[in-house]
Parts: sequence; structure tokens; C-alpha cells
Amino acid sequence: DIQMTQSPSSVSASVGDRVTITCRASQTITTYLNWYQHKPGKAPKLLIYGASSLQSGVPSRFSGSGSGTDFTLTISSLQPEDFATYYCQQSYSTPPITFGQGTRLEIK
Amino acid sequence: QVQLVQSGAEVKKPGASVKISCKASGYTFTNNYMHWVRLAPGQGLEWMGIINPGAQMTVYAQKFQGRVTLTSHPSTSTVYMELTSLRSEDTAIYYCARGWASGGLNYFDPWGQGTPVTVSS
Repeated sequence: DIQMTQSPSSVSASVGDRVTITCRASQTITTYLNWYQHKPGKAPKLLIYGASSLQSGVPSRFSGSGSGTDFTLTISSLQPEDFATYYCQQSYSTPPITFGQGTRLEIK
Repeated sequence: QVQLVQSGAEVKKPGASVKISCKASGYTFTNNYMHWVRLAPGQGLEWMGIINPGAQMTVYAQKFQGRVTLTSHPSTSTVYMELTSLRSEDTAIYYCARGWASGGLNYFDPWGQGTPVTVSS
């Protein structure tokens, strides 16, 4: 199975900050990488697919980059509604589809 | 709009089974695969399996092979996930999610609201 490792596991930031979350795959996954946002009690929400394509309706302050084994999710200017847990997910080698362990973004 | 509505919370004893429904609306049910993912306390998201709702073809994560069954009723646009031989480690929120595929890229959008399952004696 392909292991996905996110860093950091948690981060504290303020409204207006720029935040970057990293996801590393245990082997190459080309650009078969997606990012989700999850808030407690809510359904997870797709943000980025194919490493860098912004899902329709997602604010442009979210962006994704990377290929091969190393990927990043960047939030250019944090808004109050962005505090949540973020997950990366690969589908290059399946089954199984695998997720990172999550990065919790907290208010400083 | 596209919606996935899941059945309500469940409390089960160890060894029992649970069956969760996921009713789709707002799109052609058989046009997209349906995935199931769970989120256990203190853990990350975990993929369980996928079903082709029209053809009833399934693929399961090896971890759940023999304990999970996905079925589909196209007439009601509903997919079901049954998990047997429940243990405390199966306590989690279970989600269905509509699958999108482009070549080997698979992603999920949207997701159901989640069904909490508690396994306790």
C-alpha cells in the first residue's frame, strides 16, 4: 500500500496568514493526489484534485502543487472558515485508496 | 443539487452487524461509482471499498475483506454498506462519497453527512 505522510500534524495560524501543508507519498503517484477539508460534524469537502486543479466553488485562496512524491496545499490568506482538518488522498496504486493522517489547522 | 443522505446513528454490541444506507439524488445514480470511507476517533480517513451501482461490481480494501458488503438498489438510488463481526475498533463515522474517475485519478465529491456507529458492550 502507498503510505501518505502529512506535515505538520497540526498548525496554529492567524486570520490573514499564509499556510502550507505538505503531503509525501511513499512512492511516486504522479499527480494522482487530492485534498479535502473536514470540519467536525460536517461532510468532508473536495478542494483540489489532480494535485493542482481547483474544485468548482472552492475559493481561489486554496491552491495545490507537486508531482511524484511531494505535494503541497497552500492557503494564501486564512479566513475564519478555513480552520479545519485537511487530508491528502492518493489513487495511483489501488486498492486501497489511501489518505494522509490529516493536518489540523487551529486558530492562534 | 447533488445530495447523499445517509441513515442515522447506530449503537451495536460486539459481534453484531450494521447496515447503513446512502440515498443519492440530483444526478443519474448509475453514472458514478460510490465509495465508503470511515473516520475513527483519533484516526485519519480510511477507505473501505467501492461499488459500481449499476453493475453491482465491488472492490474492497483487504483490511475489510470478508466483513464488508456493498450493495446497490438502482430503483431507489440507494447504496448500502454492511459491516459484520463488529468490534470496538469499528467505532467510527462512516461516509459514502460519490466517485469521480479520470484515468487513474479517483476523487470523491460530494460526501454524505456521515453515520456514527458505536460498538460497545
